[in-house]
Amino acid sequence: KAGVTQTPRYLIKTRGQQVTLSCSPISGHRSVSWYQQTPGQGLQFLFEYFSETQRNKGNFPGRFSGRQFSNSRSEMNVSTLELGDSALYLCASSPPAAGLGVEQYFGPGTRLTVT
Amino acid sequence: AQSVTQPDIHITVSEGASLELRCNYSYGATPYLFWYVQSPGQGLQLLLKYFSGDTLVQGIKGFEAEFKRSQSSFNLRKPSVHWSDAAEYFCAVGSNQAGTALIFGKGTTLSVSS
Repeated sequence: KAGVTQTPRYLIKTRGQQVTLSCSPISGHRSVSWYQQTPGQGLQFLFEYFSETQRNKGNFPGRFSGRQFSNSRSEMNVSTLELGDSALYLCASSPPAAGLGVEQYFGPGTRLTVT
Repeated sequence: AQSVTQPDIHITVSEGASLELRCNYSYGATPYLFWYVQSPGQGLQLLLKYFSGDTLVQGIKGFEAEFKRSQSSFNLRKPSVHWSDAAEYFCAVGSNQAGTALIFGKGTTLSVSS
């Protein structure tokens, strides 16, 4: 079974631009979560989508948004990019019995650099 | 608030020696605990998980972890480290909010010396 895929793997953007990252979960998984990883803050939860609905949200500004499609693929968008948004963005999917304590399977991440 | 603490930022172990990575959590109820490993430039791979039951859990690659409620700890162990184990290790606890959100520790970087 194919793992979680993320595109693109690397991205360079300029301050003020916006960016869209894509994630395809493991087949059959309906929950998709997004995390931001930086050297200073570590791994931080952005949001989770389940059956096209945002189920949970971390403590990030409204510039960070996401959505999920009927095939469970997910996108996240960051508008008005700031230098501090440079990070590795990780997507994770969970098996159908999604709820507390269910393990997550991570993709390789998208490395975003903002200049 | 929920939190995870990994006290050791960096550990160096000789190849063939035993390993223990520490993890302490703060959680109001029975926690769901995980250990993940991340190699350079890669995503996170699940090593093992604890939900309930036996407090000693076995994972992949010869790793195990022991849940100790009295100490709020979930330490990762391996009896004999291989050079390929060099990576960054993250302990995580399942959020008490709806869904599958994880709260991660800052990670421990493991170096293996020959």
